[in-house]
Amino acid sequence: GEEVAQTPKHLVRGEGQKAKLYCAPIKGHSYVFWYQQVLKNEFKFLISFQNENVFDETGMPKERFSAKCLPNSPCSLEIQATKLEDSAVYFCASSHYRTAGTGELFFGEGSRLTVL
Amino acid sequence: KNQVEQSPQSLIILEGKNCTLQCNYTVSPFSNLRWYKQDTGRGPVSLTIMTFSENTKSNGRYTATLDADTKQSSLHITASQLSDSASYICVVSPITGGFKTIFGAGTRLFVKA
Repeated sequence: GEEVAQTPKHLVRGEGQKAKLYCAPIKGHSYVFWYQQVLKNEFKFLISFQNENVFDETGMPKERFSAKCLPNSPCSLEIQATKLEDSAVYFCASSHYRTAGTGELFFGEGSRLTVL
Repeated sequence: KNQVEQSPQSLIILEGKNCTLQCNYTVSPFSNLRWYKQDTGRGPVSLTIMTFSENTKSNGRYTATLDADTKQSSLHITASQLSDSASYICVVSPITGGFKTIFGAGTRLFVKA
């Protein structure tokens, strides 16, 4: 598609429940990035993919967070056993391989996760 | 200490006025610096991009400047409009780091009628 599509827009989970977020990058973009934005503050990098391969996962809290980008499927970010501090807006962004190095990111509208 | 710091945290101006937002960075070396606009409830959208060797870049009423010596960038908005109310985020791309970008905390701009 022409835009990065993220679903769901809002997700509410009880503490300890699982949360799964989805992202369809712009068609033709081979890089996908996940960011966490807490309380409208800074964007915290989580993980990036080059096609279906993990490119950089240095930001991922590996104990409970996992992500995948499988062929012909939306990318996903899954949080097992959510905690209150996971409440945030999770943004997905995609880049074309030619401009990924320039920091040109096309963002989705975000998925707001609320953990109660 | 954050490698990209923005000031002010928030700013209120009257419609039609100009304003300047600041970004100080310590990221070095970097390949480029971008300013993004994030409307409430939306994802950020790129406004300007400058490489380390550029001094200024304009996009309509938005003009970004870069001083590599002082490691400062500014975003100047002229003749502000109500629709300029948003967060403005300075983002720096280090040369090394696998396409990782470093975000400032943003300046929240409110334009009042």
